[in-house]
Amino acid sequence: GAVVSQHPSRVICKSGTSVKIECRSLDFQATTMFWYRQFPKQSLMLMATSNEGSKATYEQGVEKDKFLINHASLTLSTLTVTSAHPEDSSFYICSAQGQGDEQFFGPGTRLTVL
Amino acid sequence: AQTVTQSQPEMSVQEAETVTLSCTYDTSENNYYLFWYKQPPSRQMILVIRQEAYKQQNATENRFSVNFQKAAKSFSLKISDSQLGDTAMYFCAFMRSLIQGAQKLVFGQGTRLTINP
Repeated sequence: GAVVSQHPSRVICKSGTSVKIECRSLDFQATTMFWYRQFPKQSLMLMATSNEGSKATYEQGVEKDKFLINHASLTLSTLTVTSAHPEDSSFYICSAQGQGDEQFFGPGTRLTVL
Repeated sequence: AQTVTQSQPEMSVQEAETVTLSCTYDTSENNYYLFWYKQPPSRQMILVIRQEAYKQQNATENRFSVNFQKAAKSFSLKISDSQLGDTAMYFCAFMRSLIQGAQKLVFGQGTRLTINP
């Protein structure tokens, strides 16, 4: 089956620093990747949709200047949380979609901002 | 906009019992997909079962089956012979069906299912 990886699996950073999270499709080409945020005991909330080579489409209420998304290749998308603050602490999940209609999810990244 | 509602925040059953998780959705679309995802304590999202709206036959995957009622916009998940490993959060999700292009998933609030030994 299709495999999606995320790196790092967890990260702790100081307030005001920037953090980059990578999402890779390991055995297929992902034309579209999605970034979700999940708070404890809550559902997944879509943050943005990114297509390879084009600008990401952000959901309403998500600050595009704070959550920078780059989808430079068909196997890699990155999410950079700029000037992170404690309220940005969350579980971030990516998913990737190839030619079919199924999304394959990464294992998630737990971000803690001190 | 599409919405997905899971009205059961938590459920608990004994091992080997059958349990049904409820899901309703709202859409004006005629062609779409419905999914049930499982999120165990590891937090890895796992696809349990999917249903294409144009198919009248309910999808089944081993111990997992759905009751898809398109007119009622209902999509429940039945787990038969429940096992301890079925303990997880279960999310119902909706996705529009387009000829081309990716479409986003809309998730319900989730149901925390506990299987007791």
